[in-house]
Amino acid sequence: KAGVTQTPRYLIKTRGQQVTLSCSPISGHRSVSWYQQTPGQGLQFLFEYFSETQRNKGNFPGRFSGRQFSNSRSEMNVSTLELGDSALYLCASSPGPGQLFADTQYFGPGTRLTVL
Amino acid sequence: AQTVTQSQPEMSVQEAETVTLSCTYDTSESNYYLFWYKQPPSRQMILVIRQEAYKQQNATENRFSVNFQKAAKSFSLKISDSQLGDTAMYFCASLTGANSKLTFGKGITLSVRP
Repeated sequence: KAGVTQTPRYLIKTRGQQVTLSCSPISGHRSVSWYQQTPGQGLQFLFEYFSETQRNKGNFPGRFSGRQFSNSRSEMNVSTLELGDSALYLCASSPGPGQLFADTQYFGPGTRLTVL
Repeated sequence: AQTVTQSQPEMSVQEAETVTLSCTYDTSESNYYLFWYKQPPSRQMILVIRQEAYKQQNATENRFSVNFQKAAKSFSLKISDSQLGDTAMYFCASLTGANSKLTFGKGITLSVRP
């Protein structure tokens, strides 16, 4: 099975712009989670989607949003970018409820976002 | 709320030797899972091993094994026969049955010396 894929891998934006990151889960996985990784704050949970519905949300401002499509692919959007949004954004997929190892998350390679 | 603590920021080990990485956690949930992830310089987060809290038997995956002490809320990772490719940052993480949010520790940088 192909692993989790994320596009783009690298992105450079300027303050005030918006950005959309994409994540394709492992085939058959229905849950997608997003995390932000920075040297100062470590790994922080953004949100999780299952069956096109946001099931959980972390403690991030409303500028961070996401969605999931019927094929389980997910996108994450950050509007009005700030310098502090520079980070590695990781997407993880898991099988979802009712499946073997339902909650085990497998990560993609990440998108490195730099805000200038 | 869950917390995961990795108090050692870095460790070093000679190739072929054994090393143990420490992790403690706290949760009020009875149904939870524990994980170790490895993040090499490529930044890809790789699952090393998982442990269900309801299982008393410690998980093993080839050279990797855990020492799960539920009463002490301790979850350490033992790497046997260390290899140069084991050089990476290692994160301990917990997840409850109530949600799908992984809570990570700050990580430990492991260097394997030739």
